[in-house]
Amino acid sequence: GAGVSQSPSNKVTEKGKDVELRCDPISGHTALYWYRQSLGQGLEFLIYFQGNSAPDKSGLPSDRFSAERTGGSVSTLTIQRTQQEDSAVYLCASRRGVSYNEQFFGPGTRLTVL
Amino acid sequence: QKEVEQNSGPLSVPEGAIASLNCTYSDRGSQSFFWYRQYSGKSPELIMFIYSNGDKEDGRFTAQLNKASQYVSLLIRDSQPSDSATYLCAVKEDSNYQLIWGAGTKLIIKP
Repeated sequence: GAGVSQSPSNKVTEKGKDVELRCDPISGHTALYWYRQSLGQGLEFLIYFQGNSAPDKSGLPSDRFSAERTGGSVSTLTIQRTQQEDSAVYLCASRRGVSYNEQFFGPGTRLTVL
Repeated sequence: QKEVEQNSGPLSVPEGAIASLNCTYSDRGSQSFFWYRQYSGKSPELIMFIYSNGDKEDGRFTAQLNKASQYVSLLIRDSQPSDSATYLCAVKEDSNYQLIWGAGTKLIIKP
């Protein structure tokens, strides 16, 4: 079956522009995570969605970051007024449900802010 | 603040030898422990998870957990060049859906 997909795979933008990153989780997976990974670093948690519950936004680094998950499936991470320090790989992962531990990752979106 | 520590490496191991990757964590409430492998430019993929003290074996991989010492390790026997990757350690509390991630250890298997 299809895995987690993300688009675009690469995004180059100018400082101050807004960007939208998309994640399509595995069908039927109720949990969805967004992470950020800077070069040579581990994964930084950004936001978590579980079913229809309110998302856990505790990892979002500033109010320029926001995310939505429509219909319990596709998710969009939006970064407004991008800064150079936002440059990183943004990874999305989905999990089957609360009783399952394995997170399945998408290929990521590499964001470069010039 | 909950932390997971890994030696960044690179750890260089000759082909056929045993590679030993280590991870320590700060939160005594951690209950689940995961090893993910990440090839360069790719996304992480789960190799093993372990919940109980002791060893868990899966093929060439063995995870070892010592909760008293807050230490988890991954052994790779008969290392192959294809094992060259960054290995990420992650820990989780049972009551929490978040994983706390280490920065990873880069492993290089030399033919």
